[in-house]
Amino acid sequence: ETGVTQSPTHLIKTRGQQVTLRCSSQSGHNTVSWYQQALGQGPQFIFQYYREEENGRGNFPPRFSGLQFPNYSSELNVNALELDDSALYLCASSWRGQGAGETQYFGPGTRLLVL
Amino acid sequence: AQKITQTQPGMFVQEKEAVTLDCTYDTSDPSYGLFWYKQPSSGEMIFLIYQGSYDQQNATEGRYSLNFQKARKSANLVISASQLGDSAMYFCAMRRGIGAGSYQLTFGKGTKLSVIP
Repeated sequence: ETGVTQSPTHLIKTRGQQVTLRCSSQSGHNTVSWYQQALGQGPQFIFQYYREEENGRGNFPPRFSGLQFPNYSSELNVNALELDDSALYLCASSWRGQGAGETQYFGPGTRLLVL
Repeated sequence: AQKITQTQPGMFVQEKEAVTLDCTYDTSDPSYGLFWYKQPSSGEMIFLIYQGSYDQQNATEGRYSLNFQKARKSANLVISASQLGDSAMYFCAMRRGIGAGSYQLTFGKGTKLSVIP
């Protein structure tokens, strides 16, 4: 196990609602990244947080937002849910400073279903 | 832009045999990292092995080894002595070393490996 935890494990929402997903980083890690994995696809990068600030963002609209807290835990918030937001949401933590070798360790994911 | 290509949607291997999962990548950066992850049906992405673009030797981690051919831009994963527990999706991923986008992993579409008893 990586030590990265996510909650909840499963979630069902209806279109237009808002959702908050939570992630607790591995001990000693200072960076959190979020990915969306649609069924049958590889994960797609949403954004990354380092020192409580968004450090990079993928091709996702502003209704996807996040937070990182002083203890390095993180939240992913999605507003105005759409059917296409149904996916597995993965959180990954890492230690910034290893360059290309910085390894991201993933949590078990949250499965979101939007009806 | 970086791109990862995994051309094998599914692979079968006999238990105790070796198997190679293909991965090719496209980048113009001199510094980058290549990763392989395993994703069982439970969903968690499990880190397997890492290869840096400047590493002279192929990476190995237990039964996993990475066949890194820089000129061909390929980073194939070799699993020796396959076990039933190796049945899973396998993803190749890439990360830039420096500069914009160096914070994110770019993943391929994955290969589903099935180990036959």
